[in-house]
Amino acid sequence: QKEVEQNSGPLSVPEGAIASLNCTYSDRVSQSFFWYRQYSGKSPELIMSIYSNGDKEDGRFTAQLNKASQYVSLLIRDSQPSDSATYLCASKAAGNKLTFGGGTRVLVKP
Amino acid sequence: EAGVVQSPRYKIIEKKQPVAFWCNPISGHNTLYWYLQNLGQGPELLIRYENEEAVDDSQLPKDRFSAERLKGVDSTLKIQPAELGDSAVYLCASSLEGGFIGNEQFFGPGTRLTVL
Repeated sequence: QKEVEQNSGPLSVPEGAIASLNCTYSDRVSQSFFWYRQYSGKSPELIMSIYSNGDKEDGRFTAQLNKASQYVSLLIRDSQPSDSATYLCASKAAGNKLTFGGGTRVLVKP
Repeated sequence: EAGVVQSPRYKIIEKKQPVAFWCNPISGHNTLYWYLQNLGQGPELLIRYENEEAVDDSQLPKDRFSAERLKGVDSTLKIQPAELGDSAVYLCASSLEGGFIGNEQFFGPGTRLTVL
């Protein structure tokens, strides 16, 4: 079992809709969680970080964390074609090691 | 502020040949990471440096891979000899002090290696 699991997709959403991405992790000592966006042929860029249970909103993005269920999610509201990318979930325990999931590919159709 | 710089961007070599990748982190970032990313997968950590010290190299295949960060700034990752299975994207990232859980890792553009 991988330490960080994501559905590989593709997740196809119409423009303007909400894209919902899920991620589960196995290491209970993980303290912080990150969502990276990676366009094809490009490097990952950080879009959200979350450390506490609950929701964190930043513009059109909302990250949700439930440590009891070992579950992290990312919502993208009003999805745009420019949101089409692979979204990587990552967890970090003490010692600063980032562990990435395999990524979920999102396709936003006009 | 300049981002993480990597070179070359692309490299094609024959198997059994050596290859080296270079990374210059963001100025002031004392933590440097090398990741390997296979197609359709997330990045996997190869080695992490805090200044000149390699503090986590548990995932580095030491029989053929080596890395150095002599002056605590730029770093080189070497493969010798390369194998077909080494074809991947090699990403370098940097952050401020690695121990703080909130410090963001910034990634360079990567080097795409193809071994023929």
